[in-house]
Amino acid sequence: NAGVTQTPKFQVLKTGQSMTLQCAQDMNHNSMYWYRQDPGMGLRLIYYSASEGTTDKGEVPNGYNVSRLNKREFSLRLESAAPSQTSVYFCASSEGARPQHFGDGTRLSIL
Amino acid sequence: GQQLNQSPQSMFIQEGEDVSMNCTSSSIFNTWLWYKQDPGEGPVLLIALYKAGELTSNGRLTAQFGITRKDSFLNISASIPSDVGIYFCAGPLRSSNTGKLIFGQGTTLQVKP
Repeated sequence: NAGVTQTPKFQVLKTGQSMTLQCAQDMNHNSMYWYRQDPGMGLRLIYYSASEGTTDKGEVPNGYNVSRLNKREFSLRLESAAPSQTSVYFCASSEGARPQHFGDGTRLSIL
Repeated sequence: GQQLNQSPQSMFIQEGEDVSMNCTSSSIFNTWLWYKQDPGEGPVLLIALYKAGELTSNGRLTAQFGITRKDSFLNISASIPSDVGIYFCAGPLRSSNTGKLIFGQGTTLQVKP
């Protein structure tokens, strides 16, 4: 009953460092999503992948890249981290337009 | 663009009280979703609404899909301490068949034992 698994749970980076956030789902869903959550702003979509092999920008894609490695895995990469990217990052998956299932998040601090 | 506005932003209530929160938009939605986020965890789906006027319950929670399709309401009856968390409404982005959602800013609920 893992659902959506995100790693790591916590990370501290220095400005300019790079890092990849990992996400895997075991529900055989076609669609996967990356969000960031900032206080008072709800969840904002960074990138999504409607199916294996496709990715598209969401509301706030600048400074991020994604890879849909296979049907299970969808990673988010910060090439050169900036303090403005300090946030909680959530991965989610869904079967088409059905409701999304979320992971427990990665708490990222950039100094 | 599409936006969802939730109110109130936060609530501090006494255990046992009923709670009511709502979500409004200037755009029409065909689906309304209500999620709850416990501290330190990801959002979990509470209720999904698919039809204007629909009223759906999940235990002590009741949600309604507004007739105008521009709003939705979530009520919690007889609140308990474990109701603490952030409640989000969400709906599909216009012309999206991929499941892309837009979220409200959230209503933070605190319950005093």
